Amino acid sequence: DTAVSQTPKYLVTQMGNDKSIKCEQNLGHDTMYWYKQDSKKFLKIMFSYNNKELIINETVPNRFSPKSPDKAHLNLHINSLELGDSAVYFCASSHVEGGLYPEAFFGQGTRLTVV
Amino acid sequence: ELKVEQNPLFLSMQEGKNYTIYCNYSTTSDRLYWYRQDPGKSLESLFVLLSNGAVKQEGRLMASLDTKARLSTLHITAAVHDLSATYFCAVLNDYKLSFGAGTTVTVRA
Repeated sequence: DTAVSQTPKYLVTQMGNDKSIKCEQNLGHDTMYWYKQDSKKFLKIMFSYNNKELIINETVPNRFSPKSPDKAHLNLHINSLELGDSAVYFCASSHVEGGLYPEAFFGQGTRLTVV
Repeated sequence: ELKVEQNPLFLSMQEGKNYTIYCNYSTTSDRLYWYRQDPGKSLESLFVLLSNGAVKQEGRLMASLDTKARLSTLHITAAVHDLSATYFCAVLNDYKLSFGAGTTVTVRA
């Protein structure tokens, strides 16, 4: 069973289009994240959700809108895609409240290419 | 704002020798993580360190944490080719997992 799964794995789209990436975790974690990894491998946090509530929004353009329908899902919708949005997007989850299960796990990543 | 600094950013290792990667962070943290990333792949969890003096070992890798110095180290013993990858440290603080820039490790014969 995949702990954190995100779809799709690859996404190629034209500038101006709208696209979504889905993420699901089956670990019972209370916190989920979206990260952007650029070509230099730097991992920048975009959003953090705890128990479906937005906790962190790191100066991300309004074109990016996360949605968490429940604790196990965190989706990312991107409007009006730009060339600079091309990157690998990772979803992750962890259990922040309570230290019994401290690990944080990452999804397989979605490689977004905007042409 | 929490800053996480790793060094070196690039590390060319010779097989059989020992090396250390350093991770400094700027504010108190709840947890410190080490991850490995192979090219084109996701991040694989190596260690999570929770308290001052924590030490964890897995194979040729050993991680330690000094919360007073805000420093974690990842020590590699007798490097082998299979360890070539990018290694990240990350620090959890207030629901935010902040990453260092990564250390790209290449192991040569």
